[in-house]
Amino acid sequence: EVQLVESGGGLVQPGRSLRLSCAASGFTFDDYAMHWVRQAPGKGLEWVSGISWNSGSIGYADSVKGRFTISRDNAKNSLYLQMNSLRAEDTALYYCAKAPYYYDSSGYYREGYYFDYWGQGTLVTVSS
Amino acid sequence: SYELTQPPSVSVSPGQTARITCSGDALPKQYAYWYQQKPGQAPVLVIYKDSERPSGIPERFSGSSSGTTVTLTISGVQAEDEADYYCQSADSSGTYRVVFGGGTKLTVL
Repeated sequence: EVQLVESGGGLVQPGRSLRLSCAASGFTFDDYAMHWVRQAPGKGLEWVSGISWNSGSIGYADSVKGRFTISRDNAKNSLYLQMNSLRAEDTALYYCAKAPYYYDSSGYYREGYYFDYWGQGTLVTVSS
Repeated sequence: SYELTQPPSVSVSPGQTARITCSGDALPKQYAYWYQQKPGQAPVLVIYKDSERPSGIPERFSGSSSGTTVTLTISGVQAEDEADYYCQSADSSGTYRVVFGGGTKLTVL
C-alpha cells in the first residue's frame, strides 16, 4: 500500500525557515517523480515544486522560486522542502504527491505530470 | 504564465448529468487531469490523460477534450459526488511546471 506521510509543519514567524519532510513507503521510491502541492485555508490547490526520480529535473512555482528548495534522498525514501524567507501567504496545508510514469511508444521512460497518490498534508502557518 | 480556467460552481439535482469545464491555451498540446476533493480530505485522481479513469473510480465519471477546453462529466450524479473538482495540466513550454485550475464546487441539490 502506497503511503506518503508529511511532517515538519508548524507555526513560524515571517522571514524564518522551515523544512518539510515526506516519508514514502509501499512503492519503489527512486522510480518516481515527487511533488509538493499546497492549499491555503479555504482556497484551491497550488502546485509548489516537483523533482524527477533522479533529481535531474526540478521545477518551482513562480511564487516560491528563490525561496524554496526541493530535494530527495532515495536511500531514505524521503522527499523534502526547505522553505526560507517565509511569508504570510505561504500559510497552507502542504501535500506530498507521487507522480506515475509510463513508457512511450518508443519504449522510453516518461514522467506523468500528474498525481496518483497524495499524503494527508502538514500545516504551515506563517504569523507573528 | 499558463492558466487553467474553471467555473466556480456547478449545481445539479441527483440523477442528472454534471459537466465541469476547464479551459487553457495549452490543453490541445498537454493532457488534462481531474481531481475530486471532499472537505477535510486529500484530493483523489478521477480522470487522467483527458479521458482515462483510474481503477476504483465509478464509471459515471468521464472526461473529454475539444480544442482548448476539457470537460469532466458525471452522469447520474449522486449525493456523494458533492465536492470540489480541480483540473490540472503541465506547462507546454518545456519548463518543469504543473498548473491547477481554480476549482469548481459541485453542489448536489
